[in-house]
Amino acid sequence: AQRVTQPEKLLSVFKGAPVELKCNYSYSGSPELFWYVQYSRQRLQLLLRHISRESIKGFTADLNKGETSFHLKKPFAQEEDSAMYYCALSSDSSASKIIFGSGTRLSIRP
Amino acid sequence: DTAVSQTPKYLVTQMGNDKSIKCEQNLGHDTMYWYKQDSKKFLKIMFSYNNKELIINETVPNRFSPKSPDKAHLNLHINSLELGDSAVYFCASSQEGADYGYTFGSGTRLTVV
Repeated sequence: AQRVTQPEKLLSVFKGAPVELKCNYSYSGSPELFWYVQYSRQRLQLLLRHISRESIKGFTADLNKGETSFHLKKPFAQEEDSAMYYCALSSDSSASKIIFGSGTRLSIRP
Repeated sequence: DTAVSQTPKYLVTQMGNDKSIKCEQNLGHDTMYWYKQDSKKFLKIMFSYNNKELIINETVPNRFSPKSPDKAHLNLHINSLELGDSAVYFCASSQEGADYGYTFGSGTRLTVV
């Protein structure tokens, strides 16, 4: 079964500290993986896709197929990074859809 | 110039009422979706339409009926509203299925009292 697991409901770090938001997935095919961000009372926004191998707002994520992980990292947290972060997976079935993890609330302390 | 727009933004209604939420996208995307975000912030897909054709229906109660008059619009009608329907409903669209990610609307916060 396809599944995305984010083990941390809440992650609180100090400003300037490194951040790692964990994401593990369960999928039998070749997954397309994403990170979405939702700032307070705003719409979800695509943060990054694994196939783009890009860095957005200082965040990066590497797909590790051996560990089935796609952790989100940033070397130095900023206060404006406080938000809800969702890891997501796109299935390759004919009716493709995105399955979201349960989300991790990142809180950056000054 | 909003890419995916939903109306209304907030909806407060009594149990038993029927209500609709509208969604429109001006991105030329082929596929549109409805997601429900519950009080614990968990996001779950409800429906997906591709070029006005229903392609995903995720065991949603029959009281929920999506309608897609054209590929730029996907509305959600809910009959006989229940307390448990209170949530934020997000519309989204994508091109070529979900592999390129979604563009989300700003959400409709539905409160059933």
